[in-house]
Amino acid sequence: KNEVEQSPQNLTAQEGEFITINCSYSVGISALHWLQQHPGGGIVSLFMLSSGKKKHGRLIATINIQEKHSSLHITASHPRDSAVYICAVRRGGSQGNLIFGKGTKLSVKP
Amino acid sequence: DAGVIQSPRHEVTEMGQEVTLRCKPISGHNSLFWYRQTMMRGLELLIYFNNNVPIDDSGMPEDRFSAKMPNASFSTLKIQPSEPRDSAVYFCASSLREINEQFFGPGTRLTVL
Repeated sequence: KNEVEQSPQNLTAQEGEFITINCSYSVGISALHWLQQHPGGGIVSLFMLSSGKKKHGRLIATINIQEKHSSLHITASHPRDSAVYICAVRRGGSQGNLIFGKGTKLSVKP
Repeated sequence: DAGVIQSPRHEVTEMGQEVTLRCKPISGHNSLFWYRQTMMRGLELLIYFNNNVPIDDSGMPEDRFSAKMPNASFSTLKIQPSEPRDSAVYFCASSLREINEQFFGPGTRLTVL
């Protein structure tokens, strides 16, 4: 079993829909990252969080440390949000090592 | 700042050849990471440096892979000899410190024939 599991693997939505991507992990962590990989391949860091909630524009990331679960929400989705969203965790006690989920491929149709 | 710079962007080579990938981190960042991405395994950490010193190379697949960081502004990842199974996208990322947000380069797409 992978240490970081994401769901769903693939997601198709209509423009304007509210989107949720989930990430569950099985190890103790010190931080969790959400990354976005564009269709062209570039990777951008969206959030790094260790507790609570963070918001940036239409994106919201939450984490529940007790339940070992994080969610990434996109409000008022747009076709330009189409990308692969990757969850990664840094083990507790580890300095730099990140363990990655397999990603969720999101396609937003106009 | 120009962001993390990687070269080349694409590399096609024949099995057995030596391949060198290059990375220039963001100025002032003290940590540098090399990742490999494949369809089967997703993103994997190969090695990371802190203040030019390799900290964890447990992700390096085998002795054919080596990485160096001779100074704060340059790192190389070398594969010698290359094999078809090394075909992947190799990303370099840097961060202010190893626990901070990471900034990724555009990646090098390597194809070994």
